[in-house]
Amino acid sequence: GESVGLHLPTLSVQEGDNSIINCAYSNSASDYFIWYKQESGKGPQFIIDIRSNMDKRQGQRVTVLLNKTVKHLSLQIAATQPGDSAVYFCAENNNFNKFYFGSGTKLNVKP
Amino acid sequence: GAVVSQHPSWVICKSGTSVKIECRSLDFQATTMFWYRQFPKQSLMLMATSNEGSKATYEQGVEKDKFLINHASLTLSTLTVTSAHPEDSSFYICSASGTPNAEAFFGQGTRLTVV
Repeated sequence: GESVGLHLPTLSVQEGDNSIINCAYSNSASDYFIWYKQESGKGPQFIIDIRSNMDKRQGQRVTVLLNKTVKHLSLQIAATQPGDSAVYFCAENNNFNKFYFGSGTKLNVKP
Repeated sequence: GAVVSQHPSWVICKSGTSVKIECRSLDFQATTMFWYRQFPKQSLMLMATSNEGSKATYEQGVEKDKFLINHASLTLSTLTVTSAHPEDSSFYICSASGTPNAEAFFGQGTRLTVV
């Protein structure tokens, strides 16, 4: 399968600060990307997605940026809250409709 | 979002026995279902992709005779771990998609412990 990796395995931020989680993907044919949040013992929860014809997409407190030139994704969380503490995964979907996950980043929000 | 339900949430079985995990899409028709395995503090590893009415496509290194997948209807896929061994202990997660190359919805996962 494709290789989807993350630059930082853990990230600690102060409550109220902005968080940036990065992800690199290897398959230039991937055309759809999703960020998921996973809390301990639970399945992944959809956060935001982006297709390859876009560079940026905004949701509520979250923004995903896609740089196809360097095959890089980032998730920005504004005003990080304690409830944002979890492991975050990026997933890429190639044109064979398969989702491959990155290694994950654990986000710790300090009160 | 759409709801995907897995059952059971947690199971303990003896080594050598088989365990079946169900994945149901409750409010949409899932043309494609995915099965993942996740070891502690690791990412989700795709095991196989199944389309309704056809044989599952397994990822490299995943034994199809050990992990039997059935996708008999548009709302149900099952994963059977046959002759389970302690090294099969893991968190198994399914996801379902109703549209190709669109959001896949995840179940809550099944924690399998083989003793």
